[in-house]
Amino acid sequence: DGGITQSPKYLFRKEGQNVTLSCEQNLNHDAMYWYRQDPGQGLRLIYYSQIVNDFQKGDIAEGYSVSREKKESFPLTVTSAQKNPTAFYLCASSIVGGAQYFGPGTRLTVL
Amino acid sequence: AQSVTQLDSQVPVFEEAPVELRCNYSSSVSVYLFWYVQYPNQGLQLLLKYLSGSTLVKGINGFEAEFNKSQTSFHLRKPSVHISDTAEYFCAVSESGGGGADGLTFGKGTHLIIQP
Repeated sequence: DGGITQSPKYLFRKEGQNVTLSCEQNLNHDAMYWYRQDPGQGLRLIYYSQIVNDFQKGDIAEGYSVSREKKESFPLTVTSAQKNPTAFYLCASSIVGGAQYFGPGTRLTVL
Repeated sequence: AQSVTQLDSQVPVFEEAPVELRCNYSSSVSVYLFWYVQYPNQGLQLLLKYLSGSTLVKGINGFEAEFNKSQTSFHLRKPSVHISDTAEYFCAVSESGGGGADGLTFGKGTHLIIQP
């Protein structure tokens, strides 16, 4: 079965901690993306990557970091510099010029 | 920079009635357009897309949308809704010049509420 997986489904973070959200795809897509969703805000782009070992900042990259060492994987780290990290995080992938397909999401809560 | 406006935050409709969810965008370049549906605590599912060609686009679950370049609109329609269509619907745009691989700009969503 081809698709996008995100783990964990729920994640809890203490103040001052870094946490890493996993995103894996087996669709052979070149491009991958991270979005943040807050109630009533729609989705906002954090980072995206069009090719391995390269990525670009989106609209709200401050306090986040990513890596793209493999085509299938695009992990997102939420650092302690992110002041309001509680949100629903969605990963997506696409071929260049195609529609984006989304994973099931990770809900991050700061305790 | 591009932006997307979904004109209604909430649309209540009776079951088996038609529905239209409105979406307007602004961009200085050619765009790709998308509608996604989200059920509670889940990811987004692609309903339909406009990349080029015919301005009337048919999608899954009986939905369709029409791209109107002069009015910069991409409204979503369904002739007869079902209880299972209750969900959040998002309109999104990307610039086609970069192959569409530079991320989507989303509207804030429209909550479709189907009443029996």
